[in-house]
Amino acid sequence: DVKVTQSSRYLVKRTGEKVFLECVQDMDHENMFWYRQDPGLGLRLIYFSYDVKMKEKGDIPEGYSVSREKKERFSLILESASTNQTSMYLCASQIGGQETQYFGPGTRLLVL
Amino acid sequence: GENVEQHPSTLSVQEGDSAVIKCTYSDSASNYFPWYKQELGKRPQLIIDIRSNVGEKKDQRIAVTLNKTAKHFSLHITETQPEDSAVYFCAAGNTNAGKSTFGDGTTLTVKP
Repeated sequence: DVKVTQSSRYLVKRTGEKVFLECVQDMDHENMFWYRQDPGLGLRLIYFSYDVKMKEKGDIPEGYSVSREKKERFSLILESASTNQTSMYLCASQIGGQETQYFGPGTRLLVL
Repeated sequence: GENVEQHPSTLSVQEGDSAVIKCTYSDSASNYFPWYKQELGKRPQLIIDIRSNVGEKKDQRIAVTLNKTAKHFSLHITETQPEDSAVYFCAAGNTNAGKSTFGDGTTLTVKP
């Protein structure tokens, strides 16, 4: 069974702090994704990666960066957190382009 | 890029009735159309998907139809049950792009 885990379920940070969100998958999947989920706005893609050290911008990359140094781990970085980045962040992994995305449990981030 | 519109945003039905959720997409290159269900407080999970070479797919009480000419696809749930209450997301994906674009979600409530 595919397992996708995220480092924190809840996180409270202050404006201007650097924030790291980590995602780990155990199924040797090629593709990994970071989304943010806000009420009424669905799942919006921030960044995705289809291989180690490879990354592609999604629909809303501004204010975020990512790192994928190992195949199983995909990190989302908020360089300087702002209140409008308060959201639920979901990580997902996928074996290939036409396959199921498996989601992590989500990290609810509050930026004060 | 791809744009996916999903309707309705909320849907309330009586137990035993059918529910239909519709999505349209803009990119004719999209060839993979998954549907995810997200129960309250849980992660999204795939419930059914369809590929562009198929017009309809059924799995017990759920079915998905795809009209490539009109660029729309629909989720049909028959004999709804209270446990079908959740947020449903459609998505349109492209093997070459390696990512999917999600709709904004439909909150389905099944009243006992």
